[in-house]
Amino acid sequence: DQQVKQNSPSLSVQEGRISILNCDYTNSMFDYFLWYKKYPAEGPTFLISISSIKDKNEDGRFTVFLNKSAKHLSLHIVPSQPGDSAVYFCAASLNSGGSNYKLTFGKGTLLTVNP
Amino acid sequence: DAGVIQSPRHEVTEMGQEVTLRCKPISGHDYLFWYRQTMMRGLELLIYFNNNVPIDDSGMPEDRFSAKMPNASFSTLKIQPSEPRDSAVYFCASLDSLSYEQYFGPGTRLTVT
Repeated sequence: DQQVKQNSPSLSVQEGRISILNCDYTNSMFDYFLWYKKYPAEGPTFLISISSIKDKNEDGRFTVFLNKSAKHLSLHIVPSQPGDSAVYFCAASLNSGGSNYKLTFGKGTLLTVNP
Repeated sequence: DAGVIQSPRHEVTEMGQEVTLRCKPISGHDYLFWYRQTMMRGLELLIYFNNNVPIDDSGMPEDRFSAKMPNASFSTLKIQPSEPRDSAVYFCASLDSLSYEQYFGPGTRLTVT
């Protein structure tokens, strides 16, 4: 029972173009969402997050969009760079007033940015 | 800070043997998490601790798995006896409750033959 789904196992884009990674969730109680990036032989590293009270959060080249009615979020990377090539994990939590740190992860999307 | 430290980085063992994975969280972090990553199931939370106390172990697959946190700077995940289906990458992560960001260790790749 996957509560967080990343339906695209892989994505390939050209350097300089936009990368869009998608994530769907089924539990309407999730109210905090995060994206992590993972390089081979390393642990995941935090990238960007968004609370359910917002529909957009931006940090440099990275923007996360949240559509609560569709239970969908996406990560946009503009412009994409070869160093962005990694596995991207979407994660969700039941914040419950800030005391619940349990994360439910998707299976990840492998992004390849071609020079 | 050196970040979250895990040992060993790789472990190969035979079915039936006991396996112990170790984790040192970032100093000052009051939460510690153990995850398992497999191709089939992705990244799953096994158990997490707050101030050395287990809070949620609902992800622990079965009684063969156990985790302890005897102090704020050390945790172990033990599998006894190990089985081939336990082969996976096991990650430890820690968090400061003032932030939502979990910091992951490099992982332990476990192979059970």
